Amino acid sequence: QLLESGGGLVQPGGSLRLSCSVSGFNFNDYSMSWVRQSPGEGLEWVSGISENGNSIYYVDSVKGRFTISRDNSKSTLYLQMDSLRVEDTAIYYCVKDRWQQLADFDYWGQGTLVTVSS
Amino acid sequence: IVLTQSPGTLSLSPGEKATLSCRASQSVSSGFLAWYQKKSGQAPRLLVYGTSTRATGIPDRFSGSGSGTDFTLTITRLEPEDFAVYFCQQYTDLPTFGPGTKVDIK
Repeated sequence: QLLESGGGLVQPGGSLRLSCSVSGFNFNDYSMSWVRQSPGEGLEWVSGISENGNSIYYVDSVKGRFTISRDNSKSTLYLQMDSLRVEDTAIYYCVKDRWQQLADFDYWGQGTLVTVSS
Repeated sequence: IVLTQSPGTLSLSPGEKATLSCRASQSVSSGFLAWYQKKSGQAPRLLVYGTSTRATGIPDRFSGSGSGTDFTLTITRLEPEDFAVYFCQQYTDLPTFGPGTKVDIK
């Protein structure tokens, strides 16, 4: 089970921190990612992190603004989102990489809604 | 890698066959292409990975095929629960998704 939290309404330029609490599999053994879906739009991979946190990637549109991290002792994935823009409005999903980092995704949380609006 | 999907909407009846296309802007190496099903208000579900391998618990009416830049998801006999939006995703490079094909009831 992947349970996201931390979404909400924020003004442009503001910050939010998303969390994803994981249970049901050994969190330490898998790389993880965040994927988002804007209203009426398709899916967009946002960021990924390796099992030990040493390998991190971002989509260009969030580089320098978002920071992914993980706490393996708490089986929790994070996404710190700063300098938020209207176009960051989306449902954010926490996802498990099926077999290697930046591959396909076999488990998804239910998502948390982030709304950036003045 | 940019993915395009066609058609945008496919209107079919239960029991019919659905053929969904996904085309990549450059070759998807090692067949690193996956398909997902998404229903409104639900998280996406992995259907197929590695072009043609069904994920755990996925019925055999779903099948994937293709290579290079052209890939296909086929649903042989549509069940009522199959009406949804389908996305393809490549993972040769940083992951990207196609815009989706909506399969709706005719």
